[in-house]
Amino acid sequence: QVQLQESGPGLVKPSQTLSLTCTVSGGSIDSGNYYWSWIRQPAGKGLEWIGRIYSTGSTNYNPSLKRRVTISIDTSKNQFSLNLSSVTAADTAVYYCARHKPYFHYMDVWGKGTTVSVSS
Amino acid sequence: QSALTQPASVSGSPGQSITISCTGTSSDVGSYDFVSWYQQHPGNAPKLIIYEGTQRPSGVSNRFSGSKSGNTASLTISGLQAEDEADYHCCSYAGGGTSVFGGGTKLTVL
Repeated sequence: QVQLQESGPGLVKPSQTLSLTCTVSGGSIDSGNYYWSWIRQPAGKGLEWIGRIYSTGSTNYNPSLKRRVTISIDTSKNQFSLNLSSVTAADTAVYYCARHKPYFHYMDVWGKGTTVSVSS
Repeated sequence: QSALTQPASVSGSPGQSITISCTGTSSDVGSYDFVSWYQQHPGNAPKLIIYEGTQRPSGVSNRFSGSKSGNTASLTISGLQAEDEADYHCCSYAGGGTSVFGGGTKLTVL
């Protein structure tokens, strides 16, 4: 079955750009049946949807993060990526990638998550 | 786009039923039948347990059920079991290709 795995630096300095990659295995990222989302969760808090991308490169972002977020996709590597610029301590969180069902808008397969801390 | 409102915590005894509310607005929960619910045990990733407001994925116990009235969606867990102790998150489509989560609810099984 489809599995997702996040990867990237666990520590980012303030004002820099956070970059994470999600590798999809067990299925093709450009099968055309799904979007691919990023979600984050600060310690002890709720989930926050960051944005999603389709295999064509079409994206949708959380309006509150839109100015700082870029999500991209590399179908040749079966990966999609998150860039979050100008980070602060408030961006410290566990970051998850997930498979996102279009039209019905639910996330049915999740990665295990990766912790990113923003600190100098 | 504001987060959906969930109670911070709920509790119940084994065998009882509990309901977790998820209140949004006419721009999200009230406008679309696309509310999903996720169960998250400590240290684990969220797991989808309800989608389209009332549908259960294959393998999810029928003790979990969802409903909606106006701008509020609800998750009901019947016949509470110790293994149900977890955090529960609601999520709604909010238009324009965007989604919004609630703040999460911690369920304690007494």
